[in-house]
Amino acid sequence: SQQGEEDPQALSIQEGENATMNCSYKTSINNLQWYRQNSGRGLVHLILIRSNEREKHSGRLRVTLDTSKKSSSLLITASRAADTASYFCASPNNAGNMLTFGGGTRLMVKP
Amino acid sequence: GAGVSQSPRYKVAKRGQDVALRCDPISGHVSLFWYQQALGQGPEFLTYFQNEAQLDKSGLPSDRFFAERPEGSVSTLKIQRTQQEDSAVYLCASSMGRLVGISGTDTQYFGPGTRLTVL
Repeated sequence: SQQGEEDPQALSIQEGENATMNCSYKTSINNLQWYRQNSGRGLVHLILIRSNEREKHSGRLRVTLDTSKKSSSLLITASRAADTASYFCASPNNAGNMLTFGGGTRLMVKP
Repeated sequence: GAGVSQSPRYKVAKRGQDVALRCDPISGHVSLFWYQQALGQGPEFLTYFQNEAQLDKSGLPSDRFFAERPEGSVSTLKIQRTQQEDSAVYLCASSMGRLVGISGTDTQYFGPGTRLTVL
């Protein structure tokens, strides 16, 4: 079963705009991770935010975490056509030996 | 190799046929994971190895699914008597296997997946 739910399920924006994706999860977590998946390819790890962190940046990516609401958001600023992909949030179990993924947000950036 | 590789990339099987999917993890990675991803869904955990030991197989959907990693490197996921509901992308991931501080896990590196279609 999926740990989290992401919204929106699909998002279409113009190049240069910002894209925001949200993830809600059910159980307590040690950290939350975001992955990108291009069509027909495997998942690429983007960023990890620990449970004691509230915000983290990496390049054009900004991730926030609100453990009281069990939610996280991923913001991509100044989007590019190459950002077109599916984005998934995921959290590890306590033993750290498996990831539980959300259903994903399919982002389309139009040139 | 530079990353995780999987073969074949695509597999079409007739219902009832047995299939074997191969995963070559990043050299030196201790941990290896298999996930199943249905169309339009997020990946779901199947099984986990630490070296050659299969420590968690709680995600395997039935006893038709079997995974092995006999020498602690290459892994094979075998599905016997395939059914149409087995159609999915099967993803393999590997990680160094070291716990990182309080976060409890290290980064998993995913292969491109094998798309299995059962007719």
